[in-house]
Amino acid sequence: EIVMTQSPATLSASPGERATLSCRATQDVTSNLAWYQQKPGQAPRLLIYAASTRVTGIPVRFSGSGSGTDFTLTISSLQSEDFALYYCQQYNIWPLTFGGGTTVEIK
Amino acid sequence: EVQLVESGGMLVQPGGSLRLSCEASGFSFRNYAMKWVRQAPGKGLECVSYISSGGGTIYYADSVKGRFTISRDNAKNSLFLQMNALRGEDTAVYYCASLRGLQPHGFWGQGTLVTVSS
Repeated sequence: EIVMTQSPATLSASPGERATLSCRATQDVTSNLAWYQQKPGQAPRLLIYAASTRVTGIPVRFSGSGSGTDFTLTISSLQSEDFALYYCQQYNIWPLTFGGGTTVEIK
Repeated sequence: EVQLVESGGMLVQPGGSLRLSCEASGFSFRNYAMKWVRQAPGKGLECVSYISSGGGTIYYADSVKGRFTISRDNAKNSLFLQMNALRGEDTAVYYCASLRGLQPHGFWGQGTLVTVSS
């Protein structure tokens, strides 16, 4: 099983600041990496797939990068609605596995 | 409008059974693979099962293998998860979601809560 590790566990930042979230896989997943946002009481929302492809309707301030084992989600300028929990997920091979999540909280 | 609506979650005793359903609308359900993902209270996400668009490829997480069975009825735009021999650690919100192969497609249901407790 591929283990996904996200860091930091919690990121404290102010609106308007840049946020950088990291995700590392224990094996090469090529570019088969997705990022999700989840808010309390809601289902996860797909933001990015194929490591860097934004889903239609996702603001351009969200960007993804990386390949192989190291990936990054960048939020260029945090808006109030961006404070949430973020998960990465590899889909290179079953079992599909998620990272433990990064909480982006208001500083 | 795309919709995935889960149902069937409820309180069940350990060792009991439940059948979850996921009804799809607004997209060509038969052309997409589907998965069940669960989230225990206050915990992260776990993919428990996958079924290809035609039903010919099925996967299970080790934690549910031999106890859960995934199936689909493309004529009725529906996905199912038969859960047997339920344990306390199966307590979670269960979501259905669509995929293209293994790649996320982006459609998720709102979830249905399964509570396993005596």
